[in-house]
Amino acid sequence: DQQVKQNSPSLSVQEGRISILNCDYTNSMFDYFLWYKKYPAEGPTFLISISSIKDKNEDGRFTVFLNKSAKHLSLHIVPSQPGDSAVYFCAANSMEYGNKLVFGAGTILRVKS
Amino acid sequence: GAGVSQSPSNKVTEKGKDVELRCDPISGHTALYWYRQSLGQGLEFLIYFQGNSAPDKSGLPSDRFSAERTGGSVSTLTIQRTQQEDSAVYLCASSSLGQGANQPQHFGDGTRLSIL
Repeated sequence: DQQVKQNSPSLSVQEGRISILNCDYTNSMFDYFLWYKKYPAEGPTFLISISSIKDKNEDGRFTVFLNKSAKHLSLHIVPSQPGDSAVYFCAANSMEYGNKLVFGAGTILRVKS
Repeated sequence: GAGVSQSPSNKVTEKGKDVELRCDPISGHTALYWYRQSLGQGLEFLIYFQGNSAPDKSGLPSDRFSAERTGGSVSTLTIQRTQQEDSAVYLCASSSLGQGANQPQHFGDGTRLSIL
């Protein structure tokens, strides 16, 4: 029972263009959503988060959009850089469930120069 | 450094042996979490400690797995009688839980456990 789904295993984007990573969830109790970036042999690095009371949060080149009615969120990276090449994980949690994160399976992003 | 520290970074052991994995959270973080990532999978929650409350052990896959957190800081995850399916990267995270506000979890680099 996958509560958080990242349906695209990989994405390839040209340097300078926009990268859009998508995530869907099924549990309406989730109230906090996060994106993590992971390089090989390293732990996930927190990128950006959004609370369910918002529909957009922006931090530099990274913007997260939340569509609660569709139970969908997306991460936009613009402009994409070769150093953005990594695995991106979407995660969700709820204070009701003690803040344990439920992760998607990840999307491999390759930014070509 | 100031981040979450895990040791060892790699551990290879024979099936049936016990292993202990250690996590040093970020100083001042009251919440500590253990996750694992099996090959080709997303991260799977194992256990969560928050202050002096009873830990949430709902993610532990079997009674061979246990964890403790001494003095509200360092945590040890123990796997007894290891099996080959225990092979994974074990990740520790910590966060500072605000009052009613969500806080991001910050991860260590993990322990890569290989059971022969």
